[in-house]
Amino acid sequence: EAQVTQNPRYLITVTGKKLTVTCSQNMNHEYMSWYRQDPGLGLRQIYYSMNVEVTDKGDVPEGYKVSRKEKRNFPLILESPSPNQTSLYFCASRRQGGIQYFGPGTRLLVL
Amino acid sequence: GNSVTQMEGPVTLSEEAFLTINCTYTATGYPSLFWYVQYPGEGLQLLLKATKADDKGSNKGFEATYRKETTSFHLEKGSVQVSDSAVYFCALEGGSYIPTFGRGTSLIVHP
Repeated sequence: EAQVTQNPRYLITVTGKKLTVTCSQNMNHEYMSWYRQDPGLGLRQIYYSMNVEVTDKGDVPEGYKVSRKEKRNFPLILESPSPNQTSLYFCASRRQGGIQYFGPGTRLLVL
Repeated sequence: GNSVTQMEGPVTLSEEAFLTINCTYTATGYPSLFWYVQYPGEGLQLLLKATKADDKGSNKGFEATYRKETTSFHLEKGSVQVSDSAVYFCALEGGSYIPTFGRGTSLIVHP
């Protein structure tokens, strides 16, 4: 089954404790991206990657890092999480010119 | 920069009622336009899209027409069902890989 998976689905952490949210797709898509969804703000893109070893900032990259060492994986790293990063996070992938497929989301609470 | 404005919700309707969710946009050039749907606890799914002026996207009884003269892409359905209850997002993609999403409109359909 073609899908985008994210782990964990729910995470509670404390300020400053580094965390990683994993994202994996099995569709051999070149393009992957991370979004955060906040009430009243819709989705905002954090980072995107057009292929292995190629990443670029989206609209709200501050406080986040990403890496793309393999085509299928695109982890999101919060080196020092803060409460304003409490949000619902979505990973997405697509073929060049194709439609986006979204993961199920990761709900993060930073205390 | 690009922007998408969609009507605030929630929109509350009875089953079989007619639905319109307004969406207007600001963009340079000729963006592609999208409607996504998000069911509770899930990621976004593409509902329909249009890539040029006067195109009509349609899927599952929903329709939207790309109106360049009014910079609009309103979502319509002739007869909603309880199962259509979800959050609907209007979005555009221009030449960059950073899509712009509206804030989302919650639809609640009562039996």
